[in-house]
Amino acid sequence: GNSVTQMEGPVTLSEEAFLTINCTYTATGYPSLFWYVQYPGEGLQLLLKATKADDKGSNKGFEATYRKETTSFHLEKGSVQVSDSAVYFCALGPNDYKLSFGAGTTVTVRA
Amino acid sequence: DAGITQSPRHKVTETGTPVTLRCHQTENHRYMYWYRQDPGHGLRLIHYSYGVKDTDKGEVSDGYSVSRSKTEDFLLTLESATSSQTSVYFCAISESRGGTGELFFGEGSRLTVL
Repeated sequence: GNSVTQMEGPVTLSEEAFLTINCTYTATGYPSLFWYVQYPGEGLQLLLKATKADDKGSNKGFEATYRKETTSFHLEKGSVQVSDSAVYFCALGPNDYKLSFGAGTTVTVRA
Repeated sequence: DAGITQSPRHKVTETGTPVTLRCHQTENHRYMYWYRQDPGHGLRLIHYSYGVKDTDKGEVSDGYSVSRSKTEDFLLTLESATSSQTSVYFCAISESRGGTGELFFGEGSRLTVL
């Protein structure tokens, strides 16, 4: 079935460092790919998405490009802030009526 | 912010007792979902609904049942709670078929089964 695999954390960075979180997927057909973010004590919220190959999603300084040839959707940010500390989830859909989530990567940014 | 309210937000109960979690939405979205979040497992789908009285199982449905008698309410019931059901439960809603559009999440319900 369709699934995503994302890099394990936790990841700890200093402010202004470059962040990459790897995500690869297995799917039949042409899924959409998503990154969701969960700030401490909150539910998940959509960060960005891409619906077809070579699309780039971007939001709040984060970017991810849908790469069909490498089945990847890596999340990047050039200069992180303390406020970016959160858990990041890669997701793929549709999978029937469902979205399939990765295990999540905890990111901590130190001042 | 999407209008999603989960209740209760925190609950401690004992093994063998029934528990019902409620998700209430004010967005009139067709699709509703219950997920559980556990360390190392990310989010796993328990049950989902694609309309009033239309529900189906997700990947970890054993020990859980759901009901949706109105568009705005989706109830998750643990008939006889076990310690393995200690988790944080999230309700989510979407306007379009899951995986094709944005999911909006509630703030979560933390359940501890002693």
